[in-house]
Amino acid sequence: AQRVTQPEKLLSVFKGAPVELKCNYSYSGSPELFWYVQYSRQRLQLLLRHISRESIKGFTADLNKGETSFHLKKPFAQEEDSAMYYCALRGGGSQGNLIFGKGTKLSVKP
Amino acid sequence: DAGVTQSPTHLIKTRGQQVTLRCSPKSGHDTVSWYQQALGQGPQFIFQYYEEEERQRGNFPDRFSGHQFPNYSSELNVNALLLGDSALYLCASSLWQDRFYEQYFGPGTRLTVT
Repeated sequence: AQRVTQPEKLLSVFKGAPVELKCNYSYSGSPELFWYVQYSRQRLQLLLRHISRESIKGFTADLNKGETSFHLKKPFAQEEDSAMYYCALRGGGSQGNLIFGKGTKLSVKP
Repeated sequence: DAGVTQSPTHLIKTRGQQVTLRCSPKSGHDTVSWYQQALGQGPQFIFQYYEEEERQRGNFPDRFSGHQFPNYSSELNVNALLLGDSALYLCASSLWQDRFYEQYFGPGTRLTVT
């Protein structure tokens, strides 16, 4: 079964501390993984995707097929990073639907 | 470009009634997907429309149906509403040929079933 697991509902860190948001997936095949973010009173938006190997707003995520993980990391958290973060897996099909985890709320304290 | 727009913003319905939600995709997009987000959960895929046809469907009953119009806008219809249908309904648009499959989400419609 295709599934995305985000084990932490809430992650609270202090400004300047490192952040790691965990994401594990279950998928038979070559997965395509994404991180979406939702800031307060804003709509859900794409943060980054593994296929692009990019760093957005200081965040990176590496796909680890052996551990079936796609953890989101940032070395120094900022208060503006406080948001809801969702890990998503692209399902089958040429376009494929997105399978989301339950999300992790990141709170960065001053 | 206002991006993806959805209407109405909020809606209150009674159990057993029917509801229609509307979505206009981002300019230039031709594909619309609908998601249901229950409280405390991630969005769950309902179905996707391209070229006015349902292309993929998630694990939702036939009470959930949709339509896409020639201008790419879309409607989500839910019949015989249940209390459990209370959720935020998200519309996302994309370009069918986009190999990166980036979906742009609307602000959602909050449906409350009493």
